[in-house]
Amino acid sequence: GAGVSQSPRYKVAKRGQDVALRCDPISGHVSLFWYQQALGQGPEFLTYFQNEAQLDKSGLPSDRFFAERPEGSVSTLKIQRTQQEDSAVYLCASSLGGGARGGELFFGEGSRLTVL
Amino acid sequence: AQSVTQLDSHVSVSEGTPVLLRCNYSSSYSPSLFWYVQHPNKGLQLLLKYTSAATLVKGINGFEAEFKKSETSFHLTKPSAHMSDAAEYFCVVSSGAGSYQLTFGKGTKLSVIP
Repeated sequence: GAGVSQSPRYKVAKRGQDVALRCDPISGHVSLFWYQQALGQGPEFLTYFQNEAQLDKSGLPSDRFFAERPEGSVSTLKIQRTQQEDSAVYLCASSLGGGARGGELFFGEGSRLTVL
Repeated sequence: AQSVTQLDSHVSVSEGTPVLLRCNYSSSYSPSLFWYVQHPNKGLQLLLKYTSAATLVKGINGFEAEFKKSETSFHLTKPSAHMSDAAEYFCVVSSGAGSYQLTFGKGTKLSVIP
């Protein structure tokens, strides 16, 4: 597609449920990022992939969060046993080069997760 | 360590008047600085970026920003606001050799009054 596509756009989960959020980056983009944006806050870094390799997962809040990009294109962010504090918009971004410095990140519209 | 402070959470201007959105940064290394805009229900879009070239950076839609190292500032300006400029604006810093992490400010919501 022309841009970064994320699905679902909206997800409501009961506390304790598992959720999976999908990101389709721009074709050919090497780098893929996940960010978490809480209400009224700026996005915060979660994790970074270069092709299929997860080079940095230091921003993942807990071991309930897991991300993968097995074939170096589509990525999935999985949250196990969701908690209310997981409610946020999850943003995916991709970049043509191997890092963000000097290169433009293209963001998807985000997946809004609400945990009841 | 790096951080960004956006000095105003909300700015309101009249259409046709100048826009000033203020941003101060903190960085241990020579930073790259960005401004992103987020329209409702839209993805973040890059407005402009500074990466150690010219200190006055021009972006899309008539926006520009000036990097002032002595003041650690990177304020965003536009001479004349348009209704379509109403959105949330984020100042962003990235620093360190090969750094890929972006650190976002909390955002400034710009309202444009007709």
